[in-house]
Amino acid sequence: GDSVTQMEGPVTLSEEAFLTINCTYTATGYPSLFWYVQYPGEGLQLLLKATKADDKGSNKGFEATYRKETTSFHLEKGSVQVSDSAVYFCALSADQAGTALIFGKGTTLSVSS
Amino acid sequence: KAGVTQTPRYLIKTRGQQVTLSCSPISGHRSVSWYQQTPGQGLQFLFEYFSETQRNKGNFPGRFSGRQFSNSRSEMNVSTLELGDSALYLCASSSGQGVYEQYFGPGTRLTVT
Repeated sequence: GDSVTQMEGPVTLSEEAFLTINCTYTATGYPSLFWYVQYPGEGLQLLLKATKADDKGSNKGFEATYRKETTSFHLEKGSVQVSDSAVYFCALSADQAGTALIFGKGTTLSVSS
Repeated sequence: KAGVTQTPRYLIKTRGQQVTLSCSPISGHRSVSWYQQTPGQGLQFLFEYFSETQRNKGNFPGRFSGRQFSNSRSEMNVSTLELGDSALYLCASSSGQGVYEQYFGPGTRLTVT
């Protein structure tokens, strides 16, 4: 079945460092891909999405490109801030509505000043 | 606009009992999805309802069921509770058409003793 694999955490960085969180997927067909973020004490919220190959999703300085050839959707940010500390989830949706998400296990990011 | 609300927020039940959780979506949203979050298995999709019909279903036993009312509010029921059902249950709402963002509620923390 469909699945998402993302790098194990925790990831610990200093402020202004470059961030990459790897995410690869297995799916039949052409899924939509998402990154969700869970800040401490808050609920899950969508960070960015891409619905077809070569699409780049971006938000709040974060970017991810849908790479069909490598079945990947890696999350990147050029300069992280302390406020980016959170748990990041990569997810895919095989259905057109994007309402039946398959999540990766999550990666905890901790940024220190 | 009010967010997704879930009641109750915390629940303690005994093995063998049944439980009903409630989710009120954002006004105008017709899709409600349910997820189970545990430390071991992460976030797993349970099912999705759209306009009172189950549209997608994850890989959970029949003890897990749900329904949606005409006002889009949804309930999830778990019968014959097992210790392994202890988890955070999240619901998410979306418009349900196109690949749109899902808005997550704060969750119901269920503890089975």
